[in-house]
Amino acid sequence: DTAVSQTPKYLVTQMGNDKSIKCEQNLGHDTMYWYKQDSKKFLKIMFSYNNKELIINETVPNRFSPKSPDKAHLNLHINSLELGDSAVYFCASSRLAGEGDTQYFGPGTRLTVL
Amino acid sequence: GENVEQHPSTLSVQEGDSAVIKCTYSDSASNYFPWYKQELGKRPQLIIDIRSNVGEKKDQRIAVTLNKTAKHFSLHITETQPEDSAVYFCAYTNAGKSTFGDGTTLTVKP
Repeated sequence: DTAVSQTPKYLVTQMGNDKSIKCEQNLGHDTMYWYKQDSKKFLKIMFSYNNKELIINETVPNRFSPKSPDKAHLNLHINSLELGDSAVYFCASSRLAGEGDTQYFGPGTRLTVL
Repeated sequence: GENVEQHPSTLSVQEGDSAVIKCTYSDSASNYFPWYKQELGKRPQLIIDIRSNVGEKKDQRIAVTLNKTAKHFSLHITETQPEDSAVYFCAYTNAGKSTFGDGTTLTVKP
């Protein structure tokens, strides 16, 4: 009965490669997010989707491209991986977007770029 | 732009003592203020939240206070226990966007 799930949990890859992280939520939420948590534990929003539509796109390199095939899924594709992309990536979902509501986080994907 | 300052960045207390973490924000339109706890290697999880029409909220040993005039809100943990050791994040939400503080690493010594 996992609420928000992500795959893979760990991802180790070489610089220059392209990789994807998948996220799924079974909470019936309308809004999904991608966050990046760096080595200093800072948690920064990258993207937010509401009902499959992009509503927040922070200053993120265009090598990062989110895709939402339906409102229960939000995937993250990363092209031409760089050393600085190494971090833990968290997917999250919430019931509401505009008014603010609890965000439910996935278990995280630890990406290591060598 | 949106910004939230969280203090202190690290906090060490003795078991049974109280811990207080404070956040100051800049966006006066913010209306939702959650606190998340992240244990080592785990995901952030909500522990308590408060909306702008309320000044204080309590849940057992945890309380949050909000001062909208001064634009700050605080997390209070009483009778701390070793399992309270974690990183705590404040956040605020406006127009669908959540901005997180930089986190406070709380260590409760037995």
